[in-house]
Amino acid sequence: AQTVTQSQPEMSVQEAETVTLSCTYDTSESDYYLFWYKQPPSRQMILVIRQEAYKQQNATENRFSVNFQKAAKSFSLKISDSQLGDAAMYFCAYNRDNDMRFGAGTRLTVKP
Amino acid sequence: GAVVSQHPSWVICKSGTSVKIECRSLDFQATTMFWYRQFPKQSLMLMATSNEGSKATYEQGVEKDKFLINHASLTLSTLTVTSAHPEDSSFYICSAAPGTKIYEQYFGPGTRLTVT
Repeated sequence: AQTVTQSQPEMSVQEAETVTLSCTYDTSESDYYLFWYKQPPSRQMILVIRQEAYKQQNATENRFSVNFQKAAKSFSLKISDSQLGDAAMYFCAYNRDNDMRFGAGTRLTVKP
Repeated sequence: GAVVSQHPSWVICKSGTSVKIECRSLDFQATTMFWYRQFPKQSLMLMATSNEGSKATYEQGVEKDKFLINHASLTLSTLTVTSAHPEDSSFYICSAAPGTKIYEQYFGPGTRLTVT
């Protein structure tokens, strides 16, 4: 079974600074999708960024970018110019054939 | 676009009673819907996957007779927690997949269930 590991239960960053959240996963498949979701206190899951495994180029969405290392099965999220509104739980997720598996999450705190 | 709603957002029920949670895709047809459970400060755990008009597929360890899932139309799936007990108290989240892309899922806002 596919597993997703987030080894950082909590992270903290100063406003306007950069922070990187780690994620590793285990799979024997070559074609899959990886996601980072944000869950604020409202608990609504918000898609932050998506990466297709067959694409070598790292995905970016404004201040959010990923470092996808397929051979190492690593998928980290970099948040640049952190804002107070970035404070939330962040979940890494693996998806193949719409079977979505989530990591345990990382709670990000942004200090003013 | 791609909005998923859940109703109710919060429900309190007494032990032994049943409660139904609705999940609707408001602006698209969902060929597949998913139900997740999230305990406090924990991750989302997939409970079951349902396709319209078919029986749901439950994850290992999820009691299908306790968590009844019905996906009667392309825009509505329901989760009924039967004979609820305090240990069923949790946050239940649904998601819906339009089927246009194999990875696409849109999440509802969740339902907080408290069983007293």
